[in-house]
Amino acid sequence: AQSVTQPDIHITVSEGASLELRCNYSYGATPYLFWYVQSPGQGLQLLLKYFSGDTLVQGIKGFEAEFKRSQSSFNLRKPSVHWSDAAEYFCAVGARGAGGGADGLTFGKGTHLIIQP
Amino acid sequence: DGGITQSPKYLFRKEGQNVTLSCEQNLNHDAMYWYRQDPGQGLRLIYYSQIVNDFQKGDIAEGYSVSREKKESFPLTVTSAQKNPTAFYLCASSKERGGPTDTQYFGPGTRLTVL
Repeated sequence: AQSVTQPDIHITVSEGASLELRCNYSYGATPYLFWYVQSPGQGLQLLLKYFSGDTLVQGIKGFEAEFKRSQSSFNLRKPSVHWSDAAEYFCAVGARGAGGGADGLTFGKGTHLIIQP
Repeated sequence: DGGITQSPKYLFRKEGQNVTLSCEQNLNHDAMYWYRQDPGQGLRLIYYSQIVNDFQKGDIAEGYSVSREKKESFPLTVTSAQKNPTAFYLCASSKERGGPTDTQYFGPGTRLTVL
């Protein structure tokens, strides 16, 4: 079964500074990888996903993530954060293979992003 | 607009009562999911359904029940057997479970408080 680790429970970044949120996964084959964002009291919104091809993936709100097979990582980056980026961020990994018995998504425990003025 | 709706947004329940949380989607997705979210715990899967009239237990199914009589609907009942039901509950759907179309889309959530 797959697993996801987000090593940082909280991260504080100054507004305008760059951001990198870490995600490490464990899975025997090439996984599907996702980043979601959650504002307080809200559902999760998909930021970006990686299935195959180019290992640098662009998402919404100026976010990008890079899949590094050798490091089993899928870190999320943004060159300049805005106060509205303050939220909880979740990395998720999914198994390959169509339906019926294949493992679904496994989520990390999340990283809480705080933006300092 | 297509999406997932959950109702109510806030729900209060007395101990010993069953309560049902609603989840409806108009995305024409086959798979639907229920997650529970507690502070510092991330998302934990309660139940999922890959097709109408079929559902499977997730990691923390004890004290919960579901039904999937229609493709669009996947209600979750929190029974009195659930020992610590106060939490934020999230419903999600995807075209299928596992595989390249398992991109899950989430509803806005229901916050359940047991008094």
